[in-house]
Amino acid sequence: GESVGLHLPTLSVQEGDNSIINCAYSNSASDYFIWYKQESGKGPQFIIDIRSNMDKRQGQRVTVLLNKTVKHLSLQIAATQPGDSAVYFCAEKPSFQKLVFGTGTRLLVSP
Amino acid sequence: ETGVTQSPTHLIKTRGQQVTLRCSSQSGHNTVSWYQQALGQGPQFIFQYYREEENGRGNFPPRFSGLQFPNYSSELNVNALELDDSALYLCASSFPGLAGVSSEQYFGPGTRLTVT
Repeated sequence: GESVGLHLPTLSVQEGDNSIINCAYSNSASDYFIWYKQESGKGPQFIIDIRSNMDKRQGQRVTVLLNKTVKHLSLQIAATQPGDSAVYFCAEKPSFQKLVFGTGTRLLVSP
Repeated sequence: ETGVTQSPTHLIKTRGQQVTLRCSSQSGHNTVSWYQQALGQGPQFIFQYYREEENGRGNFPPRFSGLQFPNYSSELNVNALELDDSALYLCASSFPGLAGVSSEQYFGPGTRLTVT
């Protein structure tokens, strides 16, 4: 079935380091991918998205890379800050309606 | 903050009861999607409403139903509650872009439902 999985359940980094969170997706028909950040007690917060006709997109301190050949997505966070500590989800959109989420990676940033 | 609001924040129900959760979409968004998020898991798609009609459904039984109103707000109804229905229920609003082009979904804070 459809699934989006993450390679690392927990990532611990020091403040100021660059963080890389990886994700594998399964549906070749997915044309849209999103990274969400979810803090405790809150709903997922949009970070950055990328369409399947791109392989890289940059935002403020974040970069998403898409490798369609191996169905892999990554989120790079530059100069990670304690406020970046949260659970990060990648999501794919295999149809116009729904998003398919993975189980998430917890990012812990130490000062 | 996304502008998507949900009520109530928390709810405790007994197995077999019925529950209604509410969502107000972000201004200008005419599409609402509902997701169930079990503890430690990613959100699972329940269904989507567009122009007051169900526009897609995930793998959830018929006792999960919904409504969308002319102002685009939405309700999620769950009948015959089971213990496994305990979860965070999220709604997300979006505005369909050009035909065939997906657009981002903005999530509300969720309703935490506990079934005992």
